[in-house]
Amino acid sequence: DTAVSQTPKYLVTQMGNDKSIKCEQNLGHDTMYWYKQDSKKFLKIMFSYNNKELIINETVPNRFSPKSPDKAHLNLHINSLELGDSAVYFCASSRIGTDTQYFGPGTRLTVL
Amino acid sequence: AQRVTQPEKLLSVFKGAPVELKCNYSYSGSPELFWYVQYSRQRLQLLLRHISRESIKGFTADLNKGETSFHLKKPFAQEEDSAMYYCALSGYTGKLIFGQGTTLQVKP
Repeated sequence: DTAVSQTPKYLVTQMGNDKSIKCEQNLGHDTMYWYKQDSKKFLKIMFSYNNKELIINETVPNRFSPKSPDKAHLNLHINSLELGDSAVYFCASSRIGTDTQYFGPGTRLTVL
Repeated sequence: AQRVTQPEKLLSVFKGAPVELKCNYSYSGSPELFWYVQYSRQRLQLLLRHISRESIKGFTADLNKGETSFHLKKPFAQEEDSAMYYCALSGYTGKLIFGQGTTLQVKP
């Protein structure tokens, strides 16, 4: 069984569209994260949720809105997609905030 | 400011040679330090963390608070070690701050 899963794996869309990426973890973790990996492979945190509550929001444009329906899921919705949003988005989870984080396989978003 | 620096974008060695991937950090408190690895077409996974003080796949890393470094070492590189390696630190909020990553290429 996959511990942290993301869908879709690839997402190609036009500028201005709205899209969502889903993330699910079956590890029973309380904390979930979204990271963005840019074209230079640089990884940066975007959001962190603990038990469905937002605890980290790293100066991300408000076009990005995370949603956590329960502590096993953290979805990322992106409005009005821009070219600069093209990247690989990784979801991760951990038991508590400072514990080892387990990553999903990534979603490669391409905005045309 | 919290920062992690990996000065080498690419490190290329021959099989059997020693490897050292450099990592320096800047953090005002007591961070936790990690090394994550991303093999080709695979997800990011934990290689080791400083509090465990263990050796994974022959890799070790020692936290040097005086030099604010957490370099990753392996005495004899294997071809299967070829991957992207990220050094990261975690503060009290739990967010991981990553370095820029170093691609390790082990040639036969």
